[in-house]
Amino acid sequence: VIWMTQSPSLLSASTGDRVIISCRMSQGISSYLAWYQQKPGKAPELLIYAASTLQSGVPSRFSGSGSGTDFTLTISCLQSEDFATYYCQQYYSFPPTFGQGTKVEIK
Amino acid sequence: QVQLQESGPGLVKPSQTLSLTCTVSGGSISSGGYYWSWIRQHPGKGLEWIGYIYYSGSTYYNPSLKSRVTISVDTSKNQFSLKLSSVTAADTAVYYCARTFGELFPYFDYWGQGTLVTVSS
Repeated sequence: VIWMTQSPSLLSASTGDRVIISCRMSQGISSYLAWYQQKPGKAPELLIYAASTLQSGVPSRFSGSGSGTDFTLTISCLQSEDFATYYCQQYYSFPPTFGQGTKVEIK
Repeated sequence: QVQLQESGPGLVKPSQTLSLTCTVSGGSISSGGYYWSWIRQHPGKGLEWIGYIYYSGSTYYNPSLKSRVTISVDTSKNQFSLKLSSVTAADTAVYYCARTFGELFPYFDYWGQGTLVTVSS
């Protein structure tokens, strides 16, 4: 099983801020990483796959980077609708697993 | 646009079998190209992949749940289902169904809204 460490677990930010979330793997996974956004009471939504490919319809202020063991999700200019919890997911090895989540809250 | 909707009992007694169905609209399960997963989220916690199925009926389960899980498909109804046996309070969670891209390298591009299943006597 691949262990995933997402950080920070809680991030306080203001609208307009640049936000960076990290996801670190216990072993290399090439670029087999996805990012999801989840709002309270809702299902997760796919933001990014293959580490840096934006899912159709996702705003361009979201971007992903990294390969191997270290990955980041960046929100370039935080909007009010971006306050949510973000999860990374590795799909390099079975079973696919998720990070523990990063909650982005209003500062 | 593909839509998924979970249905089933919201309350299951300990030791019994949890049964859920996911109905897919806006696309056909039998058209192929995608797998169909179940994922759960314990209250206030992270996400756990349970397993997936292809329209042909081939399945793959999370080893942590494999002994208790059965996923099946009914292409005539455009549905797939989850059965989880011998449930305990630890199986209380929101259960999601999701369209899955990739057999060997799966990620999840469309999700149902989720359904809360509580295990309690």
